[in-house]
Formats: sequence, structure tokens, C-alpha cells
Amino acid sequence: DAGVTQSPTHLIKTRGQQVTLRCSPKSGHDTVSWYQQALGQGPQFIFQYYEEEERQRGNFPDRFSGHQFPNYSSELNVNALWLGDSALYLCASSLRPGEAGNTIYFGEGSWLTVV
Amino acid sequence: GIQVEQSPPDLILQEGANSTLRCNFSDSVNNLQWFHQNPWGQLINLFYIPSGTKQNGRLSATTVATERYSLLYISSSQTTDSGVYFCAVDKYNNNDMRFGAGTRLTVKP
Repeated sequence: DAGVTQSPTHLIKTRGQQVTLRCSPKSGHDTVSWYQQALGQGPQFIFQYYEEEERQRGNFPDRFSGHQFPNYSSELNVNALWLGDSALYLCASSLRPGEAGNTIYFGEGSWLTVV
Repeated sequence: GIQVEQSPPDLILQEGANSTLRCNFSDSVNNLQWFHQNPWGQLINLFYIPSGTKQNGRLSATTVATERYSLLYISSSQTTDSGVYFCAVDKYNNNDMRFGAGTRLTVKP
């Protein structure tokens, strides 16, 4: 049973550039959420995709956008990178929103460094 | 939004000792999970426990939903238990989880 997979694991970008991170959810899951974790802090919710639509969004600017594909995989895009975007980006998968007993599972994350 | 507070922020134990980690939350929740983050950053599910008590080996957890807190117990700690423990909650079961700041546990041999 494949778990949540993310790519790439590490990457370095320059200020002003754009980055795309990818995620495949756990087998049987159809909902993908993205989180940002800065050093020394807990993860913060960015947004959630279900049925190829953004369903919920945390307090992040429009520079952060995403997409979900028909096979439930997802991408996170960040435009106009700045130093403060350096963080661990975590993908989580789950069953559809509102499902009782809905346990979320995380991937190993993508470490982004902006220089 | 819901506030989540975890205590203590840091905990240092000798191998074999027991510990209790606490998570307080400011509103009723439909989802509460405990995670262990390993040194490589991966968040490992420990418990899905919006209410009641569960046990898994040396770990157990209790959530008292009416009083808005949850406890994670680690018995006979091992060096591999080191890492950061997070509590995360969700009010509406939509899985936009709100995390606490975590408890950093260090178990010394």
C-alpha cells in the first residue's frame, strides 16, 4: 500500500523564481492538503484540494497556488519566491472533507531553500 | 480559529523514564491527532483520538473532549522516541488541521 509520496525532496531556488512541488496521495485517498512548516514551528495549513477544486485555504497569499489532477495527485506552485518561503512543505492525504474518522497521512516533505 | 497549546515545549529524559505530554485546545473539535516528527521531517501518525483512550505498545493517549485537552503518555522511553511531538486538531472534520508548536523530546542513553 503506497503511502504519500512527494517530490523533490530538496531544492534550492533564487529569490523571484517560481517552484512546483508534487504529491501523490495514499492509495484510496482523494483529498490532498498542503502545509508549510518553518524551522522550529508547527505546520501551517496552506490549502486543500478535493474533486480537482480548491476547497479550503489558510492565510497564505495568492503567490501560493495549486492544482489537483484526475488521478488525485496534486501540485503546489509558489511564484515570486522570497527568503521567507524557505521551509519544509508537507503534503497530506485523506478521505473527502467531512468524512467521519478522517485520519490524515503526511508525506516526507520537500525542503525548499530560497537564497 | 482554534488555539492549540502544547506543554512542555522541551523535555529531556533518561532512557527508561516515563513522560506525559499535554495538548490544550480552545474549542470543540471533531478530529484530534498526535504525530511524531522524526529528524528527517516526516510526520508519523501516532493516534487519531478526538475522544477517549487508546493504546499502542508503549504509547497511549487520552482526550477529554469536554475539558478540551489531550494527553500523550510515553512509557519506558527509548532513544528512538526522540523528536518533536505534535498535536493537531480540526473543528469540522474537514482536515484543515491546526497544529500546536510541539514538544521536543530528547531521550538520553
